[in-house]
Amino acid sequence: DAMVIQNPRYQVTQFGKPVTLSCSQTLNHNVMYWYQQKSSQAPKLLFHYYDKDFNNEADTPDNFQSRRPNTSFCFLDIRSPGLGDAAMYLCATSRPTSGGYSYNEQFFGPGTRLTVL
Amino acid sequence: GQNIDQPTEMTATEGAIVQINCTYQTSGFNGLFWYQQHAGEAPTFLSYNVLDGLEEKGRFSSFLSRSKGYSYLLLKELQMKDSASYLCAVVDSNYQLIWGAGTKLIIKP
Repeated sequence: DAMVIQNPRYQVTQFGKPVTLSCSQTLNHNVMYWYQQKSSQAPKLLFHYYDKDFNNEADTPDNFQSRRPNTSFCFLDIRSPGLGDAAMYLCATSRPTSGGYSYNEQFFGPGTRLTVL
Repeated sequence: GQNIDQPTEMTATEGAIVQINCTYQTSGFNGLFWYQQHAGEAPTFLSYNVLDGLEEKGRFSSFLSRSKGYSYLLLKELQMKDSASYLCAVVDSNYQLIWGAGTKLIIKP
């Protein structure tokens, strides 16, 4: 089945220790997103890729970086995790219809829950 | 600024009907999504409305009024497994999804 996969599902890291979360997709979608979601809050978009074009949200801290080496894979790097970065990190994909993002249904992976000790 | 408003929490009884409202103020409008999210899991797609009116899909229906900036999700014949958060999200003029904080629905026997 075509899907969005995130690894690991649960990640524990120490304060200040770099961590990388991974996402892969078999949907062949152009667009990949990284969201941060804290308990009882809306998902917060960190950045997204349209093919290889990287789009960073204005309020995404520099501590968060991303790489997309190919269509299928996207990585979220947190360079120096702080206690406030503990959250669920959601990867999503979408395929723009002709003419742009006019539909933009997003397909989500299961998420990675990050704990910072 | 852009804003999506939903009630924080609602409670309903198994077998009953519940309506979850969403109002929005966004820069442009290119459709509205409802997603279901169980605790600790990713959001899953429920519905998409871009034209005014009611879209029915089994036990779930979604309504949109663009002139009022308003949508609702109607859940019928509630089951315990419907206990989840329901997120309203609007596609703005830049084709970005603007998310509400979600409504936590608690189903009681």
